[in-house]
Amino acid sequence: DVKVTQSSRYLVKRTGEKVFLECVQDMDHENMFWYRQDPGLGLRLIYFSYDVKMKEKGDIPEGYSVSREKKERFSLILESASTNQTSMYLCASSKAARIRAQNFGPGTRLTVT
Amino acid sequence: AQSVTQLDSQVPVFEEAPVELRCNYSSSVSVYLFWYVQYPNQGLQLLLKYLSGSTLVESINGFEAEFNKSQTSFHLRKPSVHISDTAEYFCALNAGGTSYGKLTFGQGTILTVHP
Repeated sequence: DVKVTQSSRYLVKRTGEKVFLECVQDMDHENMFWYRQDPGLGLRLIYFSYDVKMKEKGDIPEGYSVSREKKERFSLILESASTNQTSMYLCASSKAARIRAQNFGPGTRLTVT
Repeated sequence: AQSVTQLDSQVPVFEEAPVELRCNYSSSVSVYLFWYVQYPNQGLQLLLKYLSGSTLVESINGFEAEFNKSQTSFHLRKPSVHISDTAEYFCALNAGGTSYGKLTFGQGTILTVHP
C-alpha cells in the first residue's frame, strides 16, 4: 500500500510566521500535490510537482510556495502566515503513467492566530 | 475549463435505507471520474473510479456509480447504508488525461446515517 505521511496532524502558528508543511511518499511516485480543504469548498489545488525541482501553480497559489528537492518529499511553505490560511492541508501523490488515482495523506490542520 | 458540482451538501438517511449522492460535471474533453471518501479526522480514500469500459463501476463495500455521458453525471449509490458509511464524499474528475493527473474536486457531500 502506498503510504503518504505528513509531518504534523495539528499545527498552531502566529500571524507572520514562516510555516513548513512536509509530505513524504514511499512508492516512488512522480506526481505530488498540495490541496487545502475548507468546508463547502471541497479541495482546491495549491501547487503540484511532476518531477524533482519541477513545480506548477494550481488554482490558489497566492501566499504559498513549494519545494521538491527529492522525489519522495514535497514541502509546502507559507512565507508569512495569515489568519485566512487557517485550513486543512492535504498532500497527495500519484504515478505518472496513464491516469491514476491520487493517494492522500492524513492531513495537517493548521490554525493561524 | 472543467468543473464538478455535487448537488447536495448534506444527505441524512436512516440505516438500511438506499442513498444516492449526486455529481454532475462539465468538460469539453473526455473525462476520468473518481469518488473519494473521507472519514472523520482522516485523509481521503479512493472509493471507486471510472477510466473506460463499463459505465457501471463498483466498490468493495457495496457502493456503485454510473457514468452517464449524455447527462454528464456520475452519481454514487448504495442500496442499503450502514452507520459506518457516515463520512464526507467527494466527486472528482481528470479532464483529457493530461496535466499530470490533476484532479478537479466537487464541494463534497456529508452523508449522515442515523440508527
